[in-house]
Amino acid sequence: DGGITQSPKYLFRKEGQNVTLSCEQNLNHDAMYWYRQDPGQGLRLIYYSQIVNDFQKGDIAEGYSVSREKKESFPLTVTSAQKNPTAFYLCASSTPSGRPLNNEQFFGPGTRLTVL
Amino acid sequence: QQQVKQSPQSLIVQKGGISIINCAYENTAFDYFPWYQQFPGKGPALLIAIRPDVSEKKEGRFTISFNKSAKQFSLHIMDSQPGDSATYFCAASIRNRDDKIIFGKGTRLHILP
Repeated sequence: DGGITQSPKYLFRKEGQNVTLSCEQNLNHDAMYWYRQDPGQGLRLIYYSQIVNDFQKGDIAEGYSVSREKKESFPLTVTSAQKNPTAFYLCASSTPSGRPLNNEQFFGPGTRLTVL
Repeated sequence: QQQVKQSPQSLIVQKGGISIINCAYENTAFDYFPWYQQFPGKGPALLIAIRPDVSEKKEGRFTISFNKSAKQFSLHIMDSQPGDSATYFCAASIRNRDDKIIFGKGTRLHILP
């Protein structure tokens, strides 16, 4: 079964604690993305990675960190520096647009993080 | 210039009616315009997409209309069904660059039974 998995589905943390969200894909995709979704705000890009060992900041990277040590994995750490971390976090992956013709992004089921 | 503006924010349509969601963009370099559908508690999934060399694309009850000169595109859902109730995101990207997709803020669609 090919796809993207995110764990856990729900996560609760105390204010001031770092927390790491997992994202794994077995689609053999090169590119991976992290988005944050808040009501009425759409999907905002946090970080993205087009190849292993390389990643770039998105529009709202402050207070977050990522790593891309393996093609299949792209974990996101929400640090204590993130001022409003409670949100729905979505991971996605895609092949580069050179192959195939479009760059469809495939999304995981999301992790809802609540900071108490 | 990187924004994609989507309207309306929410929409209620009777079963069997036509649902219409509109989007506008500024960056003429965008060359790929997908629509994503998201059900509550799930990740979005690609619904239908269009490139600017065509003015319309239809897949079943879903149609994208594209107006390049006006820099606008819209999603039409014909014969809307309660199962279509979801949040819809329009988006735009520039292929063969960084493959980032710029998403609109979403439209929450509710189809009345």
